[in-house]
Amino acid sequence: DAGVIQSPRHEVTEMGQEVTLRCKPISGHDYLFWYRQTMMRGLELLIYFNNNVPIDDSGMPEDRFSAKMPNASFSTLKIQPSEPRDSAVYFCASSLPLGTSPDTQYFGPGTRLTVL
Amino acid sequence: RKEVEQDPGPFNVPEGATVAFNCTYSNSASQSFFWYRQDCRKEPKLLMSVYSSGNEDGRFTAQLNRASQYISLLIRDSKLSDSATYLCVVNPRGTGRRALTFGSGTRLQVQP
Repeated sequence: DAGVIQSPRHEVTEMGQEVTLRCKPISGHDYLFWYRQTMMRGLELLIYFNNNVPIDDSGMPEDRFSAKMPNASFSTLKIQPSEPRDSAVYFCASSLPLGTSPDTQYFGPGTRLTVL
Repeated sequence: RKEVEQDPGPFNVPEGATVAFNCTYSNSASQSFFWYRQDCRKEPKLLMSVYSSGNEDGRFTAQLNRASQYISLLIRDSKLSDSATYLCVVNPRGTGRRALTFGSGTRLQVQP
């Protein structure tokens, strides 16, 4: 079975450009999470969705960041405009509905973003 | 204070050694606890859940102390392939919410 799919795997862009990261969760998972990982701050939850609805976006750093989930099989995280401090690895993760399993989250391979 | 705190290490141990990691969490209402493993430049993967009574999976043993709010992971007979970063993970909001809080990780290097 395919796991969580993320694209692109690597992105190098210049400051001020728009960046869009994509995620396809595991089929049947109704929770989707976006995380950011840096050496300084570790793994931080940015936002998560349940049944395509954003539940908690308190981790989104600022208005330059936005996330959407138009359907159960696709989500995007957009940064506009990007800044060098946004350089990080961005992970998408998904998990099964409540009541069907523990809180296990399955992570995608991540997108390594470098903003010059 | 961070919600989940771990010693970053690194722990450098020889093959065959026993090594233990601890982690503390701040929210006493936390309900779910896990250890995830992350290899260099890879995504985190679930290693094991941590249950109140303690649990074992092969060479790995996890313990939870709710009174002191700490979680431990013991690895026996370390293998080279155990070299990774081990992330302590807590659901700080109890059941009904699936947002997890990750510790910064403890790096383990097993040496031949």
